[in-house]
Amino acid sequence: QKEVEQDPGPLSVPEGAIVSLNCTYSNSAFQYFMWYRQYSRKGPELLMYTYSSGNKEDGRFTAQVDKSSKYISLFIRDSQPSDSATYLCASQAGTALIFGKGTTLSVSS
Amino acid sequence: GAGVSQSPSNKVTEKGKDVELRCDPISGHTALYWYRQSLGQGLEFLIYFQGNSAPDKSGLPSDRFSAERTGGSVSTLTIQRTQQEDSAVYLCASSLSTGTSSGYIQYFGAGTRLSVL
Repeated sequence: QKEVEQDPGPLSVPEGAIVSLNCTYSNSAFQYFMWYRQYSRKGPELLMYTYSSGNKEDGRFTAQVDKSSKYISLFIRDSQPSDSATYLCASQAGTALIFGKGTTLSVSS
Repeated sequence: GAGVSQSPSNKVTEKGKDVELRCDPISGHTALYWYRQSLGQGLEFLIYFQGNSAPDKSGLPSDRFSAERTGGSVSTLTIQRTQQEDSAVYLCASSLSTGTSSGYIQYFGAGTRLSVL
């Protein structure tokens, strides 16, 4: 079993929709959780970063971590065509990041 | 520099040849990472450098892969006797350190797209 599992999608939504992206992880030692966004032929860029459980909000984006169920979520409100990208969840215990496979999101106008 | 810089952006090589990929991290970042991103596989960790410490090579898939970091800055990933399964995007990332909460944040370059024919 991979340490971070993520449904690859693809996920297609109309502009303005609320998007929910989810990951599960298996290692209880994970403390840091990140969401990266990756546009085609570009490197991943950090969107959100949380430590331990709880919610974190940044504009239209909300990251949520539930350590009791080992569940990581990213919510995007009022989605825009520019949000079309691959979203990667990642966790870290130690040095390297452990990534999910990424969910490809397409927002149509 | 403004961000992590990788070169070349694309590399096409023939099976059996050696290739070198270069990474120039963000100035002042002591930690440097190499990842590989294959279709359908996501990002997988290859190797990690932190300051002058011995690198963590636990993710290197075979002894054909090696990396070095000179002067605590620029890093080179070398793949010897390339195979078709080595075709992937090779991403480099750097971070301030791993000793603080914000130091875990890794910043990625655009990657080198390697195609082995």
